[in-house]
This record gives sequence, C-alpha cells and structure tokens, in this order.
Amino acid sequence: DQQVKQNSPSLSVQEGRISILNCDYTNSMFDYFLWYKKYPAEGPTFLISISSIKDKNEDGRFTVFLNKSAKHLSLHIVPSQPGDSAVYFCAASALNRDDKIIFGKGTRLHILP
Amino acid sequence: DAMVIQNPRYQVTQFGKPVTLSCSQTLNHNVMYWYQQKSSQAPKLLFHYYDKDFNNEADTPDNFQSRRPNTSFCFLDIRSPGLGDAAMYLCATSRDLINTQYFGPGTRLTVL
Repeated sequence: DQQVKQNSPSLSVQEGRISILNCDYTNSMFDYFLWYKKYPAEGPTFLISISSIKDKNEDGRFTVFLNKSAKHLSLHIVPSQPGDSAVYFCAASALNRDDKIIFGKGTRLHILP
Repeated sequence: DAMVIQNPRYQVTQFGKPVTLSCSQTLNHNVMYWYQQKSSQAPKLLFHYYDKDFNNEADTPDNFQSRRPNTSFCFLDIRSPGLGDAAMYLCATSRDLINTQYFGPGTRLTVL
C-alpha cells in the first residue's frame, strides 16, 4: 500500500514556464515532507522540505506547498530551466515517531527548449 | 569533496555468486541506510544502522545482510544474488533518524 503517491510518472514543461509536481499521501501521522531530485546515474539529492506547521516553504526558484486537509503537497519550479530535467521524488516521514522516510515513485520532469 | 561514496558504481555478478557493495561517508553521521531501487519505483529501504544498532525492515529478504565496522563504512552483502536482485543500490546517511538523508551516487548491480 503506497503511503506516498506521485500519480504523474512524467511531465514536460517549456523552458521558462512553471513546473508543478504533485504528491499525495495517506498517512495522517506524516508531519515532515521532502523533495529529492535525481539525475541519471546519480543518487537523489535533497532539494527542499516542509514541516506540517507550515503551508509554504520557498528556496529560490523552488517552492513547496502543503495542504494538510487534502493530504497533498506540490513542488513549484519557476522559471523552469534545462538543468531541472530530472526525476523528482516526494518523501514523507513522521518526525514525532522517529519514523523512516517513505518515498514516492518519482516524476520525471522534461524541460523542453 | 564527496560526502557519501559508493563503490563500485557498477557491479556485475553471476547468479548465486556473493557480492559486496560498499559505502563510506565523511559526514560523521550516526545513521547509514541501504535502499534498493528498481526502475520507475520508489527507493525501498532494506535496513539501517543507527550507530552500531542494526535495524532490518520486515520485508527485507534474508539474502541481504549488512555490516558497519565503524562510523564511516557500511557494507551490503548479497549472499546469493538472484535475477530479481538486479537494481540500483543506494546508500544514504543522516545525522539522526529525523534528519535529512544524504545519498551516495548508487551502485548499479547486474546479475547474469
């Protein structure tokens, strides 16, 4: 049973436009959410995180939004750049229970020239 | 400069022939993890060490073992690799269980 779901296996976005990657979760105990970026033949790299006490966290071109009532989070990248082409993993954990991180299956983002 | 190092990057083994993958870290983190990732799937946690304490996931096959001789190194031993064990194996570290994990580049295992 998938606790973290990324329903779009891939997404194509024009360079300069906004990329929106979505993630849904089922476990209401999750209170910490992360996005990782992965290039081919490399390990995932931490991108940005958000705690459940916030509904938005911004870092440069990357913004993560959290909607706790909908159990949904999204990663916005604006403007999208060619180097953003990668697989993006959503992950979640329950910090108050020292739980391990649960990953989604990932969304492959293609930035088109 | 590298923080989590995995060797080798590519490993080919024969069906049933034991293989060991290695991971080292320069971050002095308490926790080291091993994940298995197959194509288009989420990384699957196999086990982790918190310092010297080993924590096995319930669904990790007995075929997979791990050793952590010191803070810096952690090994993944696959005793009798099957064709289904072909995957990317990712090592990760974190300061504590609740902190962000830092991943190595992974070792792609091929089983012939």
